[in-house]
Amino acid sequence: QVQLQESGPGLVKPSETLSLTCIVSGGSVSSGTYYWSWIRQSPGKGLEWIGNINYSGSSNYNPSLKSRVTISVDTSKNQLSLKMSSVTAADTAVYSCARDRAIYSYGVWYYYGMDVWGQGTTVTVSS
Amino acid sequence: ETTLTQSPAFMSATPGDKVNISCKASQDIDDDMNWYQQKPGAATIFIIQEATTLVPGIPPRFSGSGYGTDFTLTINNIESEDAAYYFCLQHDNFPYTFGQGTKLEIK
Repeated sequence: QVQLQESGPGLVKPSETLSLTCIVSGGSVSSGTYYWSWIRQSPGKGLEWIGNINYSGSSNYNPSLKSRVTISVDTSKNQLSLKMSSVTAADTAVYSCARDRAIYSYGVWYYYGMDVWGQGTTVTVSS
Repeated sequence: ETTLTQSPAFMSATPGDKVNISCKASQDIDDDMNWYQQKPGAATIFIIQEATTLVPGIPPRFSGSGYGTDFTLTINNIESEDAAYYFCLQHDNFPYTFGQGTKLEIK
């Protein structure tokens, strides 16, 4: 059974870069039928999809965050990472990673949303 | 970007009740709608896929309906363990978007 576990600093200073890792166990990030997503949740903004990536590095990003976000995958460590630059208090949230179902057919990826989620990790942006 | 309008934001129910949670999309998303359950401190649980299909292992008192722009999550014969936060997700187009969520309280 696939499990995901997020980790990273719980406190980040304004203008710095937030860095989180998601370790995947019980499954492989190299599976060709999945992408891997990052999502965040805050009381003020609700749930927000940040972006996703697959084993080959093919990725999709939320346009609202794209300029500040990089998602990467490390198949050797079976994990994915999130980096968000120039953070402000508005980036304070619970950050979660999740497995994202996808199928590649006739040259096109079809996406079916997240099926397995991590518990999430709280990140506070404050000086 | 597809906006999802979920209602109600909060509801209270008694064990044995039937409840409906609505999610309306700002544009046609076919059946590209999922529903999730979230409890504090726990991983989010996937309960309904493609608008109407129950995820394996989820109790059959949960069901989903709808197509296009109007979707509903129904919980029949509510149990105390169903107290949770429920939200919808559309995966028809990027960026994925979520409903604002519904907090379900069991009296």
